[in-house]
Amino acid sequence: SQTIHQWPATLVQPVGSPLSLECTVEGTSNPNLYWYRQAAGRGLQLLFYSVGIGQISSEVPQNLSASRPQDRQFILSSKKLLLSDSGFYLCAWSVQGVGNGYTFGSGTRLTVV
Amino acid sequence: SQQGEEDPQALSIQEGENATMNCSYKTSINNLQWYRQNSGRGLVHLILIRSNEREKHSGRLRVTLDTSKKSSSLLITASRAADTASYFCATDAGNDMRFGAGTRLTVKP
Repeated sequence: SQTIHQWPATLVQPVGSPLSLECTVEGTSNPNLYWYRQAAGRGLQLLFYSVGIGQISSEVPQNLSASRPQDRQFILSSKKLLLSDSGFYLCAWSVQGVGNGYTFGSGTRLTVV
Repeated sequence: SQQGEEDPQALSIQEGENATMNCSYKTSINNLQWYRQNSGRGLVHLILIRSNEREKHSGRLRVTLDTSKKSSSLLITASRAADTASYFCATDAGNDMRFGAGTRLTVKP
């Protein structure tokens, strides 16, 4: 069966420090991969999505970047964190094609101090 | 940017009652999906309804879709305290899905 792993679960980082969040999927090949951010009590904002290795689409210009070095690995990074980067980050995957539900990871709570 | 908008933002009911949440969206869609999120956790997929479907059932869940009004509703019948969570609609119009801000449902025992 397919599983998605996202870590760490919580992270406290100082302003100006780098960030690396990792997400891996098991049990499937060539998935669509997504990074979302959720502010407290709000909906999800799509940050990046990828339909293949090295293919990254960015939805919102910001202080973050994403990479997909392997088929089932999706990494969210920042060179210098801002206070406004605090939030709940969720990775998700779906089967390629239209009309498939998303499976989400358990999320990373990032607090920038 | 967000696509769906849920209504109401918050809903509080007694156990055993039915809960109805609504979602409106703006552009044409391939399908609409509902997700549930327990506090501080990831989202769990509940149900998907395609643009050519009008109603769908799954257990105690009933989803309707009106593409002419660009709206959907999620009905949870005979609610339980364990149904307490945030519920999000998401619209699929291509490569990705757009989520609304969610409805926070509280079911009191």
